[in-house]
Amino acid sequence: KAGVTQTPRYLIKTRGQQVTLSCSPISGHRSVSWYQQTPGQGLQFLFEYFSETQRNKGNFPGRFSGRQFSNSRSEMNVSTLELGDSALYLCASTPGQGRRNTEAFFGQGTRLTVV
Amino acid sequence: GDSVTQMEGPVTLSEEAFLTINCTYTATGYPSLFWYVQYPGEGLQLLLKATKADDKGSNKGFEATYRKETTSFHLEKGSVQVSDSAVYFCALRIDGSSNTGKLIFGQGTTLQVKP
Repeated sequence: KAGVTQTPRYLIKTRGQQVTLSCSPISGHRSVSWYQQTPGQGLQFLFEYFSETQRNKGNFPGRFSGRQFSNSRSEMNVSTLELGDSALYLCASTPGQGRRNTEAFFGQGTRLTVV
Repeated sequence: GDSVTQMEGPVTLSEEAFLTINCTYTATGYPSLFWYVQYPGEGLQLLLKATKADDKGSNKGFEATYRKETTSFHLEKGSVQVSDSAVYFCALRIDGSSNTGKLIFGQGTTLQVKP
């Protein structure tokens, strides 16, 4: 069974640009969550998508957005990049239902560097 | 709000030493509790979990017991190995009718095991 796949693994962008990150969940999983990991703030929840609908959102500015496609693949977009957006972005996949006995599976992450 | 607090790191131990990493939580609902591990350059891997009070999660020699009365989920291992060197994250997920997969993480504890 293939794991969670995030692409690309590494990105370097310039301030003011925008970026799109991709996440393919485990086959059959319908929920995808995104997290930002930085040395100063740790792991912070960005948003979660289930069946193409956002069902939870963290405390991030509107420059951070996401979407989910009918095949459950998800993308997140960051517009008008700032230096502080440099981070490891992690995607997590879960079945999305019957949650008490399920666990989240994480991808290897996308390392974004803003210069 | 919901939160997780872990002991400050880094923790440095000699091989075969006993490990404890403290984790306490604050939750508005009835959480499931998790320990994740992150090796350098990788995403998060689930180490163990517990979904109700007094449950003990265990894996690869690591154990943690869900203590509702003390709101704690301390991670223990009887004899650490060099290969256990990593960052350990305690996390909670509020399970309820809102049915989301959002995880709330502690700040992480770096473990270094010396030969």
